[in-house]
Amino acid sequence: GDSVTQMEGPVTLSEEAFLTINCTYTATGYPSLFWYVQYPGEGLQLLLKATKADDKGSNKGFEATYRKETTSFHLEKGSVQVSDSAVYFCALTNILSNTGNQFYFGTGTSLTVIP
Amino acid sequence: DTGVSQNPRHKITKRGQNVTFRCDPISEHNRLYWYRQTLGQGPEFLTYFQNEAQLEKSRLLSDRFSAERPKGSFSTLEIQRTEQGDSAMYLCASSSTGFREKLFFGSGTQLSVL
Repeated sequence: GDSVTQMEGPVTLSEEAFLTINCTYTATGYPSLFWYVQYPGEGLQLLLKATKADDKGSNKGFEATYRKETTSFHLEKGSVQVSDSAVYFCALTNILSNTGNQFYFGTGTSLTVIP
Repeated sequence: DTGVSQNPRHKITKRGQNVTFRCDPISEHNRLYWYRQTLGQGPEFLTYFQNEAQLEKSRLLSDRFSAERPKGSFSTLEIQRTEQGDSAMYLCASSSTGFREKLFFGSGTQLSVL
């Protein structure tokens, strides 16, 4: 079945450091890929998405590129801030499958940015 | 946009009791989802409604679980004869048909079964 695997945390970085959180997926067909973020005390919210191969999603300085050849969707940011401290979830949905309304989430990666 | 609202925020119950959670989605969203999240895991899909119709259910949703969405507005998730393994965060999310891939999540209901 469809699934997502993301790197385990927690990740601790100093402010202005470079961030990479790895995510790989298993799916048939052409899934859409997402990064969701959960800030402390808040619900999950969409950070960025990509719906087809080679698409790059971007938002708030974060980027991720849909790589079909490596089945990956790694999250990157060039210079993290303290306000980026949160839990990041990679996710996919496969609209053309018979479970097309289900989103599959990774286990989440906790990021702490220290001043 | 007042966001997705879930009540209660926390529920502590004894094993064997029934519990009911409520979710109020964003008013114009016709798609509503229930997810369950345990510590250290990502959200796991439970069920999906489009308007008042329950269109998908996960095999995680045993016979003790039932969800409704009367009139296609708020939704309730009931767990009968709770077990300790039901302890988890129960998340509700909604989205619109035109932008189905952008889920808006509530803050969840944390269930503890003693």
